[in-house]
Amino acid sequence: EVQLVESGGGLVQPGRSLRLSCAASGFTFDDYAMHWVRQAPGKGLEWVSGISWNSGSIGYADSVKGRFTISRDNAKNSLYLQMNSLRAEDTALYYCAKVFPRGFDFWSGYLDYWGQGTLVTVSS
Amino acid sequence: DIQMTQSPSSLSASVGDRVTITCQASQDISNYLNWYQQKPGKAPKLLIYDASNLETGVPSRFSGSGSGTDFTFTISSLQPEDIATYYCQQYDNLPPAFGPGTKVDIK
Repeated sequence: EVQLVESGGGLVQPGRSLRLSCAASGFTFDDYAMHWVRQAPGKGLEWVSGISWNSGSIGYADSVKGRFTISRDNAKNSLYLQMNSLRAEDTALYYCAKVFPRGFDFWSGYLDYWGQGTLVTVSS
Repeated sequence: DIQMTQSPSSLSASVGDRVTITCQASQDISNYLNWYQQKPGKAPKLLIYDASNLETGVPSRFSGSGSGTDFTFTISSLQPEDIATYYCQQYDNLPPAFGPGTKVDIK
C-alpha cells in the first residue's frame, strides 16, 4: 500500500525557516517524480514545487522561487521542502504527492497518491 | 504560464441529477488534463487523467472529455457521497497549474 506521510509543519514567525519532510512507502520511490502542493485555508490547490526521480530536474512556483528548496533522499525514501523567509501568505496545508508519469518531464503526469498534509502557519 | 479557469465556481443539484463542470486552459494543452475530487478535510483524489481516462476504482458515473483548451467533467447521476470540490489540472507545461475548483453540493 502506497503511503505518503508529511511532517515538519507548525507555527513559525514571518522571516523564519521550516523544513517539511515526506516519508514514502509502498512503492519504488526512486522511480517517480514527486511534487509539493499547498492549500491555504479555505482556498484552492496551488502547485509549489516538483522534483524528478534523480533530482536532475526541479521546478518552483513563482510565489516561492528563491525562498523554497525541494530535495529528496532516495536512500531514505524521503522528500523534503526547505522553506526560508516565510511569509504570512505561505500559511497552508502542504501536501506531498507522487507523480505517475505520462511523459519525460518531471511535471508530466498525474498525481495518483497524496499524503494527508502538514499544516504550516506563519504568524507573529 | 498556462491559466486554468473553471465554471461554475459552485453548484447545487439534486441526487440523481447530471452535473457538468467545464475547465478551460489559456492555451492548447492537448489532452494533458486531470480531474481531482477533494472532500472536506481530506486530501485530493485523482478521478480522471488525460482528459477522459477513468482512474482505477473510480465509479463509472464520473467521466471527462475534451482536448485543446476546453474540457468537461460530468457526474451522470449525482450521489450524496459526491459532495466535494472538483479541480482540473494541466500538465502540458510548467507550472502544472490547477483550476480554481468547483464546489458541488446537494440541493
